[in-house]
Amino acid sequence: ETGVTQTPRHLVMGMTNKKSLKCEQHLGHNAMYWYKQSAKKPLELMFVYSLEERVENNSVPSRFSPECPNSSHLFLHLHTLQPEDSALYLCASSEGSVSPLHFGNGTRLTVT
Amino acid sequence: QKEVEQNSGPLSVPEGAIASLNCTYSDRGSQSFFWYRQYSGKSPELIMFIYSNGDKEDGRFTAQLNKASQYVSLLIRDSQPSDSATYLCAVTLSGGSYIPTFGRGTSLIVHP
Repeated sequence: ETGVTQTPRHLVMGMTNKKSLKCEQHLGHNAMYWYKQSAKKPLELMFVYSLEERVENNSVPSRFSPECPNSSHLFLHLHTLQPEDSALYLCASSEGSVSPLHFGNGTRLTVT
Repeated sequence: QKEVEQNSGPLSVPEGAIASLNCTYSDRGSQSFFWYRQYSGKSPELIMFIYSNGDKEDGRFTAQLNKASQYVSLLIRDSQPSDSATYLCAVTLSGGSYIPTFGRGTSLIVHP
């Protein structure tokens, strides 16, 4: 399998649930990202990992918790989310600091 | 505040015409510039990137960068209905930053 793979594609969760989003890249890249895309808003950067170290946490609420166990895998752990957290969550990877991003297909999250 | 501005549109052009999409940015330190296309319900995919002032052509697409005026544009020649999508502009700072900043995107409609 090639590219950036995200699972699940769709997720519906209640406000008291705990779930995790998974991202895997097969491109040999050394940086991975989580973005949130809501309707009518620009892509919002959430977290950036470079060589498995978190280099950016863009003021994201603590109910979102990232994990990067190695350069190919990235997780986003979710707990006690709010309905306004419903959005498309996109994972991306890049080769370096000025290289283009390669996006996964995203996880459509609905919080009820 | 680092910002990337795009007209949300929609921009409507007839099939075969040239579509011109514009993007301005506020941070003079921006070094890398990207155009992504996003179809409805899909993730963004890279179309063009440009690092130097001037024009860069790839098939029907031309990216134009003017750092002095802080704008980057995307021209699509011989527009096709399949080009109908949202086009996202993104810029990346120099100096090791891993943080691409995205605009809201411009919706393009190419009508037969």
